[in-house]
Amino acid sequence: EPEVTQTPSHQVTQMGQEVILRCVPISNHLYFYWYRQILGQKVEFLVSFYNNEISEKSEIFDDQFSVERPDGSNFTLKIRSTKLEDSAMYFCASSNRVDGELFFGEGSRLTVL
Amino acid sequence: AQSVTQLGSHVSVSEGALVLLRCNYSSSVPPYLFWYVQYPNQGLQLLLKYTSAATLVKGINGFEAEFKKSETSFHLTKPSAHMSDAAEYFCAVSDLEGGKLIFGQGTELSVKP
Repeated sequence: EPEVTQTPSHQVTQMGQEVILRCVPISNHLYFYWYRQILGQKVEFLVSFYNNEISEKSEIFDDQFSVERPDGSNFTLKIRSTKLEDSAMYFCASSNRVDGELFFGEGSRLTVL
Repeated sequence: AQSVTQLGSHVSVSEGALVLLRCNYSSSVPPYLFWYVQYPNQGLQLLLKYTSAATLVKGINGFEAEFKKSETSFHLTKPSAHMSDAAEYFCAVSDLEGGKLIFGQGTELSVKP
């Protein structure tokens, strides 16, 4: 069964460092998303991406964040200069239509020290 | 704006007992509603979804949910809990314009032998 894969599963970084989280969405999907879940809190929307551009972003997704689909298969989330409060589980999701049935990866846990 | 509220961050039931996880939504348009499950160290998996067809929706693993417009509710039920049902459950509403999901706070279900 096709699945969304994410790497790394866990990354520890120092505050101020750049981090790139990678995702391989399901191959025929067109809509891509990043969510995050801070420990003990709800799953929060970060950004959606369609047709090679951001279609929507939340207030969390500030200038420190960027997304890219560099090669037609990977979908990356970059945090330019990490802060302690960026520590969270980051989930990538993809969908082949806009009715909201999203398929999620297993997440990348980011720990900022 | 759309939102979802899950009543009870933690629900504990005995094996074989009824499972009831509560979700209320707020939406200015007819909503698409979802329940996702997250097993430990795994991503989010779709349990079931409501997309304005039948109000009683059946999902995987014996779960079902009923859409009640008058109560703005979409509660998740299962007649008989199994140990393997222990997980975190998230209710979500879809933003049909952009396709993103807006999640509730999550309910952790524990099942006692």
